[in-house]
Amino acid sequence: DAKTTQPPSMDCAEGRAANLPCNHSTISGNEYVYWYRQIHSQGPQYIIHGLKNNETNEMASLIITEDRKSSTLILPHATLRDTAVYYCIVRGTGANNLFFGTGTRLTVIP
Amino acid sequence: SQTIHQWPATLVQPVGSPLSLECTVEGTSNPNLYWYRQAAGRGLQLLFYSVGIGQISSEVPQNLSASRPQDRQFILSSKKLLLSDSGFYLCAWSVVGGKPQHFGDGTRLSIL
Repeated sequence: DAKTTQPPSMDCAEGRAANLPCNHSTISGNEYVYWYRQIHSQGPQYIIHGLKNNETNEMASLIITEDRKSSTLILPHATLRDTAVYYCIVRGTGANNLFFGTGTRLTVIP
Repeated sequence: SQTIHQWPATLVQPVGSPLSLECTVEGTSNPNLYWYRQAAGRGLQLLFYSVGIGQISSEVPQNLSASRPQDRQFILSSKKLLLSDSGFYLCAWSVVGGKPQHFGDGTRLSIL
């Protein structure tokens, strides 16, 4: 699975959009981009995933660049409950393992 | 909707004692099931996964074993715990391999 690079930490004001970047320059053609988050002492929560096209669900939007070497997770209106560590993972079709790196610690500030 | 349950939430065990952690999934049939361990301040390490009853794949050699006696039940066991077995154990399920995995709330295991 391709490696990912994320900033170690970010702050975001409550109510504003949180934009979390991820670099995955070695991603291969059949690898998806997944985002999870982990709130302290809880299991990781699946957020969204995509291959090429931008994706949106009730939690977030995922913007993947045309060359697929980077992506951005967007939380449109961050709340205090969005404070968590966010993990960007690239993973091939059919793969069983999820490689969680160090992620980005997002702090939403009142 | 699908739900995943793990218990207990926390566990303190002496070195050399046995271990049994249980995970059950509701609302789906024939899921892929996974056991991960997360050491303090580190990423998740896949320990075992299962694609069906009685089918267990081990990702790393260790002091632990897994079993799947029923379609939606996954058990992590040890005959004799080591200090290095301390950590946060997470169970997850997915529809099939390669699809999003959904995690339980985990068991925090401390070995004394």
